[in-house]
Amino acid sequence: ETGVTQSPTHLIKTRGQQVTLRCSSQSGHNTVSWYQQALGQGPQFIFQYYREEENGRGNFPPRFSGLQFPNYSSELNVNALELDDSALYLCASSLGTGSSYNEQFFGPGTRLTVL
Amino acid sequence: AQTVTQSQPEMSVQEAETVTLSCTYDTSESDYYLFWYKQPPSRQMILVIRQEAYKQQNATENRFSVNFQKAAKSFSLKISDSQLGDAAMYFCAYIPVWGGSQGNLIFGKGTKLSVKP
Repeated sequence: ETGVTQSPTHLIKTRGQQVTLRCSSQSGHNTVSWYQQALGQGPQFIFQYYREEENGRGNFPPRFSGLQFPNYSSELNVNALELDDSALYLCASSLGTGSSYNEQFFGPGTRLTVL
Repeated sequence: AQTVTQSQPEMSVQEAETVTLSCTYDTSESDYYLFWYKQPPSRQMILVIRQEAYKQQNATENRFSVNFQKAAKSFSLKISDSQLGDAAMYFCAYIPVWGGSQGNLIFGKGTKLSVKP
């Protein structure tokens, strides 16, 4: 059974650029959640995708957007990067029903640095 | 608003000793889950232990146990016989069972645990 994988591991961008982060969910999982973890902080929920539809969103601006594909892998896109977007981005997959909690399994994260 | 507070930014324990990490939370929900996650330097968030709010019995997983006080909204983690591999950031997290954004785990700021040989 393959766990949650994320790519790339590290990424350096400059302010104003756009970035795409990728997540492959664990085999059999249909739900992906994305979190932003700033240095020295706990993760903060960005949004969740369930069966290719957004199923909840945290307090993040619209320049944070996402996609989920038919194989349930997912992308997180961030436009117009700001310095404060520098963080570890975690994705977590689960076998969801769309209406109740199911255990989330986390990937190793992508470290994004914005200069 | 639902919040999770970890008041100990750093803790230290001697190898083979016992340490307790504290967590308090605030919610108006009656059905929810509480978690302790471990994040080693490798960054991957690993679930240590889970507690369902409707269960009065405290969860245990080998050397890890919790003290869940629902009325006080307190959820502490006890690590017994500490090992060098237990050194990591530990995060307390909460999620309601139903409603809202189902992916919305709410995390505390974490406690950095050091284990001294």
